[in-house]
Amino acid sequence: DAKTTQPPSMDCAEGRAANLPCNHSTISGNEYVYWYRQIHSQGPQYIIHGLKNNETNEMASLIITEDRKSSTLILPHATLRDTAVYYCIVRLLSRGGADGLTFGKGTHLIIQP
Amino acid sequence: KAGVTQTPRYLIKTRGQQVTLSCSPISGHRSVSWYQQTPGQGLQFLFEYFSETQRNKGNFPGRFSGRQFSNSRSEMNVSTLELGDSALYLCASTVRQGAVETQYFGPGTRLLVL
Repeated sequence: DAKTTQPPSMDCAEGRAANLPCNHSTISGNEYVYWYRQIHSQGPQYIIHGLKNNETNEMASLIITEDRKSSTLILPHATLRDTAVYYCIVRLLSRGGADGLTFGKGTHLIIQP
Repeated sequence: KAGVTQTPRYLIKTRGQQVTLSCSPISGHRSVSWYQQTPGQGLQFLFEYFSETQRNKGNFPGRFSGRQFSNSRSEMNVSTLELGDSALYLCASTVRQGAVETQYFGPGTRLLVL
């Protein structure tokens, strides 16, 4: 799986959009970008994934650059409950099944009231 | 659908003992993965089970083992506990659609080894 680089921490004001960047310059053509988050002492939570096109769901939007070397997760109206560690993971599944997600250190997003 | 459940939620053991943790995946999910999370090493993959067979394994010693039952419930066992095994153990129920895989995590079991 391609390596990802994320800023260790970010602040965002409550009610504003939180934009979390991720660099994955060695991504290969078939690798997907996934985002998970982990609120303190809970299990990680799946947020969104994408391959090439921008994606949106009820939680967030994912913007992937045209060259696919970086992406941005957007939480449109951040709330205090969005304070968490956000993980960007790039992954290619093998035919033999899942060999486990590789979690880096992620970005600690702190939403300020 | 109910989410992933893990029992027990908290556990205290002493060095040398063994422990068994349980995970019930989301109904219909046949793949279960286990992870260990520590402050020093972060989240690390232990192993994955699919249809009662271990399909993939991370880089952990043989003291860590697991199994999966016909109803997809899974257990993991750690024998001869060491202080360094103190961690949050997470189970993930996995659904795969083509080349996309989504993992849904349980709340974890927090193990403290004294």
